[in-house]
Amino acid sequence: KAGVTQTPRYLIKTRGQQVTLSCSPISGHRSVSWYQQTPGQGLQFLFEYFSETQRNKGNFPGRFSGRQFSNSRSEMNVSTLELGDSALYLCASSLGRSGNTIYFGEGSWLTVV
Amino acid sequence: AQKITQTQPGMFVQEKEAVTLDCTYDTSDPSYGLFWYKQPSSGEMIFLIYQGSYDQQNATEGRYSLNFQKARKSANLVISASQLGDSAMYFCAMREGMDSSYKLIFGSGTRLLVRP
Repeated sequence: KAGVTQTPRYLIKTRGQQVTLSCSPISGHRSVSWYQQTPGQGLQFLFEYFSETQRNKGNFPGRFSGRQFSNSRSEMNVSTLELGDSALYLCASSLGRSGNTIYFGEGSWLTVV
Repeated sequence: AQKITQTQPGMFVQEKEAVTLDCTYDTSDPSYGLFWYKQPSSGEMIFLIYQGSYDQQNATEGRYSLNFQKARKSANLVISASQLGDSAMYFCAMREGMDSSYKLIFGSGTRLLVRP
């Protein structure tokens, strides 16, 4: 059974650019969540999508956005990149109903220069 | 406000010995779930074990067990027979509102180093 797949794994962007990260959840999972991990702030929740609808949102500026497609794949976009956006971005997938399975992908390492 | 506290920034353990990683939490929601994840240097978050607030017994998954003390709001991870491959960051996390959002709140993590 394939796990959560995130692409790209590594990328370098310049300040002011935008970036799109992709996440394919485990087959059958309808909930996709995104997290940002930095040495200073730790792991912080960005947003969660379920059946193409944003169900919850963390405390991040509007430059951070996301969406989910009908096949449950999700993308997150960061516009006007800042140096502080350099982080590991992790995607998690879940069935979406009450339960205890939340699995993460390998993450996308973003460096902003 | 919900909060997860991991008070051990780093720990050492001898190979083949058991180790306990501490986690305390704070929530006013009677329904919640507690998770432990392992994060090697590659970055992937690997699910280890889960404990629901209404579960009567402590969760176990192979060499991992969760010492759940609800009254003290603690959910410590016990790793038995440590292996060199157990060296990694370990995160405790909590999910509230079990019928809806899958938002996780994470602790700051504990770096475990297993000595040969």
